[in-house]
Amino acid sequence: KAGVTQTPRYLIKTRGQQVTLSCSPISGHRSVSWYQQTPGQGLQFLFEYFSETQRNKGNFPGRFSGRQFSNSRSEMNVSTLELGDSALYLCASSLEAGGGSPQHFGDGTRLSIL
Amino acid sequence: DQQVKQNSPSLSVQEGRISILNCDYTNSMFDYFLWYKKYPAEGPTFLISISSIKDKNEDGRFTVFLNKSAKHLSLHIVPSQPGDSAVYFCAASEGGSEKLVFGKGTKLTVNP
Repeated sequence: KAGVTQTPRYLIKTRGQQVTLSCSPISGHRSVSWYQQTPGQGLQFLFEYFSETQRNKGNFPGRFSGRQFSNSRSEMNVSTLELGDSALYLCASSLEAGGGSPQHFGDGTRLSIL
Repeated sequence: DQQVKQNSPSLSVQEGRISILNCDYTNSMFDYFLWYKKYPAEGPTFLISISSIKDKNEDGRFTVFLNKSAKHLSLHIVPSQPGDSAVYFCAASEGGSEKLVFGKGTKLTVNP
């Protein structure tokens, strides 16, 4: 069974640019969540999508946005990139929304801002 | 305000012995707890979870214990193997939410 697939694996951008990251969940999983991992802050929740609707949002500025498509695939977008946005961005999927079932993670997109 | 804390940044054990990783939380609304293992350059891998209605859950070499009154959970790995060497994250969520709150992780090294 294929796992969570994130593309691209690595990305280099400059300040002020915008970026779109993609996530394909495990087949049959309908909930997709995004996390940011940095050495200082650890793993932090960005947002969660279920049935194309954002159900939950973490404490990040509006420059961070996302969406989910009817096939459960998800994208996240970061606009006006800042140096501090350099991080590993992880996508996770679970069978249903509502908690109580484990989230399974992809290998992430490593974003570097120059 | 760190709601999930893993106070030991690192732990070293001998192969074949027990590894005990600890995690404390402050939010009494958390009702679902998970442990993940992470190798460098890979995403976290789900290991085991426990609901707040239980105090123990076992899966092969991995057992998670939950002490709600102390707001403490632990992961026991028996016997430890060199391939278990990784960073272990404790995570928690509260009622009906997919939002996971993670600890900062404990790096486990299992020496042959």
